[in-house]
Amino acid sequence: DTGVSQDPRHKITKRGQNVTFRCDPISEHNRLYWYRQTLGQGPEFLTYFQNEAQLEKSRLLSDRFSAERPKGSFSTLEIQRTEQGDSAMYLCASSLGDSYYGYTFGSGTRLTVV
Amino acid sequence: AQSVTQPDIHITVSEGASLELRCNYSYGATPYLFWYVQSPGQGLQLLLKYFSGDTLVQGIKGFEAEFKRSQSSFNLRKPSVHWSDAAEYFCAVGPSNTGNQFYFGTGTSLTVIP
Repeated sequence: DTGVSQDPRHKITKRGQNVTFRCDPISEHNRLYWYRQTLGQGPEFLTYFQNEAQLEKSRLLSDRFSAERPKGSFSTLEIQRTEQGDSAMYLCASSLGDSYYGYTFGSGTRLTVV
Repeated sequence: AQSVTQPDIHITVSEGASLELRCNYSYGATPYLFWYVQSPGQGLQLLLKYFSGDTLVQGIKGFEAEFKRSQSSFNLRKPSVHWSDAAEYFCAVGPSNTGNQFYFGTGTSLTVIP
């Protein structure tokens, strides 16, 4: 068990560019979550996968955002036409079964849009 | 609506002193409650969780929390703080109606002075 891995750790991009982040959950975890954390705030839910199915999306996830988990293992989060307001820490978490037992979070990807 | 309030944005304590971080929640049913800790540039680590039963729960690193339904509170405590406890602490409540997301407070930043 190597924990939840996220790549890259940091990303600086120019406004209008597309970016993609990757999350590798704990291997036996079937549930995967994406959260966004802006400066001075707690994490906010973006979306959730059970295996390869995306079962819930937050209203925060505008049409510029898309997430996939093609084989029920790793997941990608893509942001198209980035805006300065997208600057945040993007956290991935995973759980085995119910999230009631708590998530295991990755270290996050820090996105800076300039 | 579900929500979490952490009234203290920042707390400073001396090493060896006791600590209490406050968390108040709004939730329509019996909540699942969590405390997470986040070191700078890192993801969140689960400290402890409450589902039911004994209202005083023990966690890792010597932390404990007490669930008080009458006060809608879930305060985190530690009898003797160590310099390595300096971090950001987040309280979370859930789950949502869909069972897949939790709501985080805005966090309390802890500084430990020697």
